[in-house]
Amino acid sequence: GENVEQHPSTLSVQEGDSAVIKCTYSDSASNYFPWYKQELGKGPQLIIDIRSNVGEKKDQRIAVTLNKTAKHFSLHITETQPEDSAVYFCAATLMDSSYKLIFGSGTRLLVRP
Amino acid sequence: KAGVTQTPRYLIKTRGQQVTLSCSPISGHRSVSWYQQTPGQGLQFLFEYFSETQRNKGNFPGRFSGRQFSNSRSEMNVSTLELGDSALYLCASANLDRSHEQYFGPGTRLTVT
Repeated sequence: GENVEQHPSTLSVQEGDSAVIKCTYSDSASNYFPWYKQELGKGPQLIIDIRSNVGEKKDQRIAVTLNKTAKHFSLHITETQPEDSAVYFCAATLMDSSYKLIFGSGTRLLVRP
Repeated sequence: KAGVTQTPRYLIKTRGQQVTLSCSPISGHRSVSWYQQTPGQGLQFLFEYFSETQRNKGNFPGRFSGRQFSNSRSEMNVSTLELGDSALYLCASANLDRSHEQYFGPGTRLTVT
C-alpha cells in the first residue's frame, strides 16, 4: 500500500548549521507533498509544500526539493535556530476529489544553542 | 481568522465506553479530516468529510465513525473503547476550492484506562 519513509528519526545540529530531512514515497501517483512542524502539545503546523510539477520551492530559511523519478523529497533548513527544534513530518497525497495524507514517521530536530 | 478548534482537549475514558470528539474547521473550509497520532504508529488517516459526505476512510475498525454537519463542523465517535485507542486525535480542515493546504487543530488527547 501507500507508504512514506522518513530519515533520520532524530537530528541534532549546532545553531546556525543546516538540517536536511529526507523522505521517500511509494505511490507514483502522489502529486502533493507538504511538510509539517509539530511542537510539544500542539497540532502539526504546515510550513511548506510542493507539487509534483515543481522541482524546488523556497520560503526564507526553508526549502523543499522533489525528485519525481526517484520518488524522493527533502526538507532543507538553513541557519537553524533553537526555535526550529521540533518534530518534522513529511507527507504525500494524490490531489483528487478526496484528501488523504500519508505521513512519514517524523524527525525530531534538536538545535543546540 | 480563527484556526481549527477541537473539543475537548483532554479526555479520560474507561475501556468499553464510547466517546465523541468535536471539530470546528476554519471558516470557509468544507473538507474535514481526522487523524490518529500514537508513538508507535505515528500519524494515521481515519476519514475525510466534504459537504456532509465521507469521501475516504482509513484502515480502522468500524468502531471508529464520524459525521459532518451542514456548517462543516465534524464529530468522530469511537465505540467500545480499547486501551489501544489511547492517542492524540487530530482534526484538519482544508479549502479544496483554493488549495490542498490542510490545517490542523491542537488535537484531543484521549486516554483509555
